[in-house]
Amino acid sequence: GAVVSQHPSWVICKSGTSVKIECRSLDFQATTMFWYRQFPKQSLMLMATSNEGSKATYEQGVEKDKFLINHASLTLSTLTVTSAHPEDSSFYICSASEVQETQYFGPGTRLLVL
Amino acid sequence: GNSVTQMEGPVTLSEEAFLTINCTYTATGYPSLFWYVQYPGEGLQLLLKATKADDKGSNKGFEATYRKETTSFHLEKGSVQVSDSAVYFCALNTNTGNQFYFGTGTSLTVIP
Repeated sequence: GAVVSQHPSWVICKSGTSVKIECRSLDFQATTMFWYRQFPKQSLMLMATSNEGSKATYEQGVEKDKFLINHASLTLSTLTVTSAHPEDSSFYICSASEVQETQYFGPGTRLLVL
Repeated sequence: GNSVTQMEGPVTLSEEAFLTINCTYTATGYPSLFWYVQYPGEGLQLLLKATKADDKGSNKGFEATYRKETTSFHLEKGSVQVSDSAVYFCALNTNTGNQFYFGTGTSLTVIP
């Protein structure tokens, strides 16, 4: 099946720094990539949808200047958490879609901001 | 609007017990329905799906039937194993815009 990778899997950073998370589709071209956030013992919350070569569409309540998304190619999307604060600590999961309806999820990136 | 409601956990079962995790949905149009499983520290893996009414999705002994009349997609397994311990998410995709809506997840622990 289709494989989606995320890097890094774990990151710890100081408050005020920026963190970049990469999401790659390894064996298919993803026309659309999605970024989710998951709090402990809760469901996934869609943050934004990105299509290759265009600006991301953010969900209501998600700060686009805080969570910068770049979908530079059909196999790579990046999420940058700018000026991270402890409340940004969470599990970030991306998914990639080649065709309508089917999404393949990455293994997630755990961010801890001290 | 679109939403998914899942039975709350946690659920604890003995090995070889029967499992049911309830899921109901609200959707406009004709959504596709999914069950995803998340093992500790990992991302989501697709467990099974059904794309239209009366379809039954099945995988690894799990199954769920798309019931339009009751707007449900309950997950069942006849005999659970310790390795089934995970969090299970019910989800729907509206097929327009390719957006997923997830339930809150149900944690399952199977004890030997």
